[in-house]
Amino acid sequence: AQKITQTQPGMFVQEKEAVTLDCTYDTSDPSYGLFWYKQPSSGEMIFLIYQGSYDQQNATEGRYSLNFQKARKSANLVISASQLGDSAMYFCAMRETSTGNQFYFGTGTSLTVIP
Amino acid sequence: EADIYQTPRYLVIGTGKKITLECSQTMGHDKMYWYQQDPGMELHLIHYSYGVNSTEKGDLSSESTVSRIRTEHFPLTLESARPSHTSQYLCASSEWVDNEQFFGPGTRLTVL
Repeated sequence: AQKITQTQPGMFVQEKEAVTLDCTYDTSDPSYGLFWYKQPSSGEMIFLIYQGSYDQQNATEGRYSLNFQKARKSANLVISASQLGDSAMYFCAMRETSTGNQFYFGTGTSLTVIP
Repeated sequence: EADIYQTPRYLVIGTGKKITLECSQTMGHDKMYWYQQDPGMELHLIHYSYGVNSTEKGDLSSESTVSRIRTEHFPLTLESARPSHTSQYLCASSEWVDNEQFFGPGTRLTVL
């Protein structure tokens, strides 16, 4: 079974609008971490935001926020006030304690910001 | 800002050649990782290391090998490159196993 599922292969958003990128995960570990990375066309992976399984509040980092719904096992990324530079691939990842803290990545969502 | 470097950034090579992809970081991180990523696809862990003289294979079977003789250096070697090895290879490091991983710029390998 897939540990990380991203069901949106591609998304479009108007500049200055907000967009939500979906991510669901599968684990039975009580302790795990959820991450979002951005990958521009240049190929590097840029860390955006982190949510721990025990964190009570949703993580926020500038224009990025993580909508963490533990019971639904979802960790959606919300980007507010989209900018043209936000156009990139976005990957959701999970660190799972029981597998030696390895990272598992989703298949990614390609976001295009339209001027 | 992460200080993790990979060379070369791009490599085109013929079948059967031996190649080494370099990865180095200046952050003093014990944990280092190699991922393989086909275009538009997810990352797959192929090797990781939790410190000097420690290396482990990841989930994705790979014909490559790694070494960790120095904390800052984690090279990946293919003894005999094949077209099926064509992919992007990303190196990463982290301070602790449960911290975010910092990635290098990647090496895009094409084997003809």
